[in-house]
Amino acid sequence: DGGITQSPKYLFRKEGQNVTLSCEQNLNHDAMYWYRQDPGQGLRLIYYSQIVNDFQKGDIAEGYSVSREKKESFPLTVTSAQKNPTAFYLCASSIRGWGEGETQYFGPGTRLLVL
Amino acid sequence: GEDVEQSLFLSVREGDSSVINCTYTDSSSTYLYWYKQEPGAGLQLLTYIFSNMDMKQDQRLTVLLNKKDKHLSLRIADTQTGDSAIYFCAEIPSGTYKYIFGTGTRLKVLA
Repeated sequence: DGGITQSPKYLFRKEGQNVTLSCEQNLNHDAMYWYRQDPGQGLRLIYYSQIVNDFQKGDIAEGYSVSREKKESFPLTVTSAQKNPTAFYLCASSIRGWGEGETQYFGPGTRLLVL
Repeated sequence: GEDVEQSLFLSVREGDSSVINCTYTDSSSTYLYWYKQEPGAGLQLLTYIFSNMDMKQDQRLTVLLNKKDKHLSLRIADTQTGDSAIYFCAEIPSGTYKYIFGTGTRLKVLA
């Protein structure tokens, strides 16, 4: 089955701790995205990557970091600099990261909670 | 500013039609999307419409686009309890590949 997987489903972070959220896709998509979802708000873009070994900041990149060493993987690290990390994190991918009308396909999400 | 607006809540009775509305921001947006999110899950693509279309129908779903008013709507015919979810509209302004999402409309279907 082709798709996007995210792990873990729930993640707990202690004060001052960095945590990493996993996102893997086997759709052979070039582009991958990370979004943050807070209650009553739309999705906000954290980082995106159009191609391996390249990524750009989205609208709310502060306190987050990413890497894109492999086409199928785009892990997101929530650093201790992110003061309000409690949220639902969604990963997405699209065939290309450029041009118009690129449909994005989403993973099941990871809920991050602060202890 | 970039704000795609949606009503926060909608409640309908099972079997009735639901209409979820969205006002988007950029008249140059070439694609407009509707996604569905069930509790604790990711977003599922429902349908999309290209900006040169006024209407698109897909089984129980009908999308209407009014470019002049930058208004998009999603009609769900014969709404079922399984349709209870949050519905997001999203636009991609021309020349970009960045989605701009609405705040989401929580649809509750009453049996």
